[in-house]
Amino acid sequence: GAGVSQSPSNKVTEKGKDVELRCDPISGHTALYWYRQSLGQGLEFLIYFQGNSAPDKSGLPSDRFSAERTGGSVSTLTIQRTQQEDSAVYLCASSLSDRAYGYTFGSGTRLTVV
Amino acid sequence: AQTVTQSQPEMSVQEAETVTLSCTYDTSESDYYLFWYKQPPSRQMILVIRQEAYKQQNATENRFSVNFQKAAKSFSLKISDSQLGDAAMYFCAYRRQYNTDKLIFGTGTRLQVFP
Repeated sequence: GAGVSQSPSNKVTEKGKDVELRCDPISGHTALYWYRQSLGQGLEFLIYFQGNSAPDKSGLPSDRFSAERTGGSVSTLTIQRTQQEDSAVYLCASSLSDRAYGYTFGSGTRLTVV
Repeated sequence: AQTVTQSQPEMSVQEAETVTLSCTYDTSESDYYLFWYKQPPSRQMILVIRQEAYKQQNATENRFSVNFQKAAKSFSLKISDSQLGDAAMYFCAYRRQYNTDKLIFGTGTRLQVFP
């Protein structure tokens, strides 16, 4: 596609439920990143994919968080047993591996846990 | 570990005036990249300007320029002739030299532009 697409745009879920957030990167972009932006905070790195593998998952805050990428394209971030502190905007970005500046961000998913 | 600090949570400027947003960072690396991103209410992060650490010359993009002080680990953004459309959150970010490395962001500065 022309840009990075994220769905849903907004998600309200009850505490304790599982949620899945989707990121569809730019076609051909091999690198994919997930970030979390909590209210009043900067962007916090969660996980990085190169192709389908995740060489850096150091930012995942707990084992309730997991992510996968299939076909070197779409990625899904799953949060199990959601907590109120998981409320945030989740942003995805993709880039070509051989470009120094080629990050393109999506518009994010605003997750609200009630 | 690398860190990025933006000490101004909010700034305001009058239309057509100039404003400077501050950013400092900490790293032990000698080669790296620095960025300023703009985030409007649409939430999408838009690259404003970038600077390679090995370049002494400050980057400029139209009305946007940076003051890069490598020894002081300072990277400020100057917006000249401010426009109403410049109102947004601005984030300073650092990245090591490796093309696929992650960005490390500051906490952002909210810029208001008054007519």
